[in-house]
Amino acid sequence: GENVEQHPSTLSVQEGDSAVIKCTYSDSASNYFPWYKQELGKRPQLIIDIRSNVGEKKDQRIAVTLNKTAKHFSLHITETQPEDSAVYFCAAIGAGSYQLTFGKGTKLSVIP
Amino acid sequence: NAGVTQTPKFQVLKTGQSMTLQCAQDMNHNSMYWYRQDPGMGLRLIYYSASEGTTDKGEVPNGYNVSRLNKREFSLRLESAAPSQTSVYFCASSETHLNQPQHFGDGTRLSIL
Repeated sequence: GENVEQHPSTLSVQEGDSAVIKCTYSDSASNYFPWYKQELGKRPQLIIDIRSNVGEKKDQRIAVTLNKTAKHFSLHITETQPEDSAVYFCAAIGAGSYQLTFGKGTKLSVIP
Repeated sequence: NAGVTQTPKFQVLKTGQSMTLQCAQDMNHNSMYWYRQDPGMGLRLIYYSASEGTTDKGEVPNGYNVSRLNKREFSLRLESAAPSQTSVYFCASSETHLNQPQHFGDGTRLSIL
């Protein structure tokens, strides 16, 4: 089955700096890659997703890039703010599979 | 529009007790899912229902059963709770089971003593 590795497990940045979280996946047929943000004690919330026919997608300060050849995708947050502090999860789903496989999460801390 | 609603929010059980976690969605979604979240483990799929009338095992189904009661409701049952089932349980739904965003409920925090 699909295996998703996420790095780093923790990340601290100064307010205003950029943050990058990287994920690799094992199933070359995977074709859908969402990112979720989870604040302490809250539900995971979808912040951005990308499909395999697209190399990059952007939404205001958040962008995701996908490299299908290398089987990795990354989340980029620019101009970080304290409210960006949360745990971020990447995920992938393989073609023909119903199962979304999650990475183990990255705890992002934005220091004012 | 409530989205995905889970009940209860918190529950404490003794080993061997049974209980059912309830989930309902009002987005007319076809697919529903149950996950458990443990520290350092991310989210792991327990069971899913691709459409009304179907259910299938996910990554960690042992010790659980599910019922897709109708299009809106998908319940998770622990027949004989064990301490290893102490976790936060999330229900989610999506329009279909294929490459669609999943929307999560607020979770049920379950402790088994």
